[in-house]
Amino acid sequence: SQQGEEDPQALSIQEGENATMNCSYKTSINNLQWYRQNSGRGLVHLILIRSNEREKHSGRLRVTLDTSKKSSSLLITASRAADTASYFCATDFVNAYKLSFGAGTTVTVRA
Amino acid sequence: DTGVSQNPRHKITKRGQNVTFRCDPISEHNRLYWYRQTLGQGPEFLTYFQNEAQLEKSRLLSDRFSAERPKGSFSTLEIQRTEQGDSAMYLCASSSLRGNQETQYFGPGTRLLVL
Repeated sequence: SQQGEEDPQALSIQEGENATMNCSYKTSINNLQWYRQNSGRGLVHLILIRSNEREKHSGRLRVTLDTSKKSSSLLITASRAADTASYFCATDFVNAYKLSFGAGTTVTVRA
Repeated sequence: DTGVSQNPRHKITKRGQNVTFRCDPISEHNRLYWYRQTLGQGPEFLTYFQNEAQLEKSRLLSDRFSAERPKGSFSTLEIQRTEQGDSAMYLCASSSLRGNQETQYFGPGTRLLVL
């Protein structure tokens, strides 16, 4: 069974706008990671946030983590057409590093 | 290219046939994972190796599935007597544990279609 659940399932935005997607999970975690997947391709790692961190930035990406609500958000600022992809959150657990993924958010950036 | 590679990239087979996929991880990574992804879903964990030892297998991995990592480098995933429900993308990832966190780097996947 999948641990995470992304919201929304799909998002369509204009180039230059910001995209925000959320992830909720069920059990306590060690780390939470976000991955991007272009259609039919492998996953690309975007960012990892540890359970004792609340916010992390990487370039145009901003990730927040609220362990009390068991939720995370990914913000992509100033979106580009190349950001069109599916985005997945994945969680791992202490001493168990296999990843549990949600079903993903499909983002379409219109030129 | 120093990333994770998988072969073949695509495989079409008839129901009942056996198939084998190969994964070559990033060379210094001692952990190797297999995941399966069906359309519209996120990847689901199948099994993982630390060096040559298979440390965990998901309940998704029926007895028709077997994975090996004989020398702690490349890995193979074999599916015997394939069924149409085995059609999926099979993803391999490798990592190296640093402290209590690791980043798994994924290969491009092998897309299997069972007719």
